[in-house]
Amino acid sequence: DVKVTQSSRYLVKRTGEKVFLECVQDMDHENMFWYRQDPGLGLRLIYFSYDVKMKEKGDIPEGYSVSREKKERFSLILESASTNQTSMYLCASSPYLTGTEAFFGQGTRLTVV
Amino acid sequence: AQTVTQSQPEMSVQEAETVTLSCTYDTSESDYYLFWYKQPPSRQMILVIRQEAYKQQNATENRFSVNFQKAAKSFSLKISDSQLGDAAMYFCAYRTRGTGNQFYFGTGTSLTVIP
Repeated sequence: DVKVTQSSRYLVKRTGEKVFLECVQDMDHENMFWYRQDPGLGLRLIYFSYDVKMKEKGDIPEGYSVSREKKERFSLILESASTNQTSMYLCASSPYLTGTEAFFGQGTRLTVV
Repeated sequence: AQTVTQSQPEMSVQEAETVTLSCTYDTSESDYYLFWYKQPPSRQMILVIRQEAYKQQNATENRFSVNFQKAAKSFSLKISDSQLGDAAMYFCAYRTRGTGNQFYFGTGTSLTVIP
């Protein structure tokens, strides 16, 4: 079974802190995604990566950056956390060729105080 | 840009009854994939069903089936014999056929199953 693992289920950080959300997948997928989930807004794409060291901005990249140094790991970075970044963050991966679904991690609920 | 619309923020169904969740999408592409995902309170997103746009036959998975109307750009999910475990948030998603393309998600429908 494909497994996508996010480093934390719950995280509480202070305003202004640099925050790292880590995601690891074990199925050699080329594509990896970071989504933000808010009530009434669904899943919004922050960044995605289709190869090591490659990244593309999604719909809401402001205030975020990403890093993909190894194929299996995709990190989301909040350079200076703000309260409006309090949200659920979902990581997903999929093979390069479309037709298959995205496989999701269990989500990280981040609270910025 | 592709958009996915779920017009029902909340739905409820009696246990053992049938419910249909609606989804429409906007695209200029002719070949693509559509998905329904389930997110229970555990937060783990689970694929429910997938439809390939070039296939006219509607996909089915046990109690779950879709009504895919390509011309109308409609992709509804029917859950038959609803069970308590079906209570969850359901998301409709779209993906263009090709390489490296992202998924577009709707805003979700929260389904309550009444015993």
